[in-house]
Amino acid sequence: EVLVVQSGAEVNQPGESLKISCRVSGYIFTSYWIAWVRQMPGKGLEWMGIIHPGDSDTRYSPSFQGHVTISADKSMSTAYLQWSILRASDTAIYYCARLPSPAYPAFDVWGQGTMVTVSS
Amino acid sequence: QSALTQPRSVSGSPGQAVTISCTGTSSDVGGYNYVSWYQQSPGKAPKLIIYDVRKRPSGVPDRFFGSKSGNTASLTISGLQAEDEADYYCCSYAGSYTVIFGGGTQLTVV
Repeated sequence: EVLVVQSGAEVNQPGESLKISCRVSGYIFTSYWIAWVRQMPGKGLEWMGIIHPGDSDTRYSPSFQGHVTISADKSMSTAYLQWSILRASDTAIYYCARLPSPAYPAFDVWGQGTMVTVSS
Repeated sequence: QSALTQPRSVSGSPGQAVTISCTGTSSDVGGYNYVSWYQQSPGKAPKLIIYDVRKRPSGVPDRFFGSKSGNTASLTISGLQAEDEADYYCCSYAGSYTVIFGGGTQLTVV
């Protein structure tokens, strides 16, 4: 069974750093890309970027470039999304999802989401 | 890169059919046959229901039908059921290894 399990909810203060994770199982991690998607409270889905775990080829949405970093650890079958400086506007649910190709947006398996709350 | 345009809400009665539109540009929806649709129930992760404009993943009922004409993609749900009440999002490839989502449509089954 293909599973995508994300790390638990986080509560941080503005200015802090944070790294959340997305661990997969049931398939070959390096055979698919992993995408990160943001959903702000009561709002829609926003594509943040993607990574190929095999060679760490990473692409970002212009809206998120420079503010977040996407990475992956093949040995752990885990992808990561990190911030060096959190802002209150980063409060959202973050989903990771699997896709077969960056030019083929069929996100067929999703994690359960990680709620990130940034508040002083 | 603005979100694809979807109606904010649609509604229908059980057994009826509803159609949700998703309008983009020639740089995304109109330029590629890579449109997908997702169903998101409250408090849940999105679920893929249509990919490649009109293909259904295994397990998705054939009541869900996808299509595209020009810069507009559409999702039609026939034989509405109470369990179809959810938010629906379209998604398109937008070139240069980027992807864009629609703003989402809330479906109410009245």
